[in-house]
Amino acid sequence: DAGVIQSPRHEVTEMGQEVTLRCKPISGHDYLFWYRQTMMRGLELLIYFNNNVPIDDSGMPEDRFSAKMPNASFSTLKIQPSEPRDSAVYFCASSPTGGGANVLTFGAGSRLTVL
Amino acid sequence: AQKVTQAQTEISVVEKEDVTLDCVYETRDTTYYLFWYKQPPSGELVFLIRRNSFDEQNEISGRYSWNFQKSTSSFNFTITASQVVDSAVYFCALNTGGFKTIFGAGTRLFVKA
Repeated sequence: DAGVIQSPRHEVTEMGQEVTLRCKPISGHDYLFWYRQTMMRGLELLIYFNNNVPIDDSGMPEDRFSAKMPNASFSTLKIQPSEPRDSAVYFCASSPTGGGANVLTFGAGSRLTVL
Repeated sequence: AQKVTQAQTEISVVEKEDVTLDCVYETRDTTYYLFWYKQPPSGELVFLIRRNSFDEQNEISGRYSWNFQKSTSSFNFTITASQVVDSAVYFCALNTGGFKTIFGAGTRLFVKA
């Protein structure tokens, strides 16, 4: 398996623009997670899905953020409109199981810079 | 509340030195899991180890070893005879049985040749 695939790897945009980040989880993994990494706040869980259904989005910072998982092999994280404080590395991760023992397999991340 | 503290922000060592990365966790749950992940310069987080709260046996994997002590709520990670390729950010993480894995702030390790 190719692992968790994220695109784009780098995105530079201007404030106010819409940003869409994409993720393809590992086939057979029923859980998908979106994390954000910043220097100030470290790694934060934004939202996770189980079998394509959003289960907990309490980490989504604002209504400007939305995430979807239309099928088992694709998820998007959208920011509209983007702001400079959204600049961060966004990671997608997937896991075959739920519960505390779940080992996360991360993608390479999407580095977002909002000017 | 659950919390993971990695007090060492950055560590710099010379190749072949041993280095220990500290991790202290907080939880009131009796069942939990602890993890270490490595983030090399390429950026992708890579799983290293998982321990459950009922297994305090230390573990060794090649040059890597982990010391889990419930009495001090610590799960420390030692690299023996460090190499330049060990340079990375290392994250300790905690999961108490839900789906939310809580990560520490990370320790950046520099290994100089």
